[in-house]
Amino acid sequence: GAVVSQHPSWVICKSGTSVKIECRSLDFQATTMFWYRQFPKQSLMLMATSNEGSKATYEQGVEKDKFLINHASLTLSTLTVTSAHPEDSSFYICSARGRRKVSPLHFGNGTRLTVT
Amino acid sequence: GENVEQHPSTLSVQEGDSAVIKCTYSDSASNYFPWYKQELGKRPQLIIDIRSNVGEKKDQRIAVTLNKTAKHFSLHITETQPEDSAVYFCAANYNDMRFGAGTRLTVKP
Repeated sequence: GAVVSQHPSWVICKSGTSVKIECRSLDFQATTMFWYRQFPKQSLMLMATSNEGSKATYEQGVEKDKFLINHASLTLSTLTVTSAHPEDSSFYICSARGRRKVSPLHFGNGTRLTVT
Repeated sequence: GENVEQHPSTLSVQEGDSAVIKCTYSDSASNYFPWYKQELGKRPQLIIDIRSNVGEKKDQRIAVTLNKTAKHFSLHITETQPEDSAVYFCAANYNDMRFGAGTRLTVKP
């Protein structure tokens, strides 16, 4: 149980375009979803936390107008990278948690974004 | 917010030896401490976790200890095997999950 599906697994886009990444919880209700970014050989850096039906809470230094997060239902959250630039190239991973705060995160497979 | 520090950044051991990774956290309200293993290009996988009302937990070759007073917790892997080689992340959770910088463990056959 507790499967999180993330799509696409990889994407290449041109500078200035937008990319949408989807994160779905397949067999549980994800009250909270977290979006992380991971650069090569580095840790998972929290970008934002989203609760279903509420606006996302962004970490300091993360531009909310550039990284649009929507968590419209208990099974789907999306991250849209707007006007992508080469420095946005990274590995983006979503994770989801059910109603219990004291519980592990379930991760998607991640999306490798390359902006040319 | 929560700040999690993890040491060492790299660790190399001989097969069969033990490996210990240590983490400290800053927010005394954190109440859940999972450990994840991540292989290259893959998602992190939960390997063990501990809640703040428990001091130690063991699962076969893996154990985690928690010292709430000192705000540190450790991962212990005994009888290491080459397939244990990966990057390990500790994390601390209250409202959100913060990760340590990671430890690259190499187990030499």
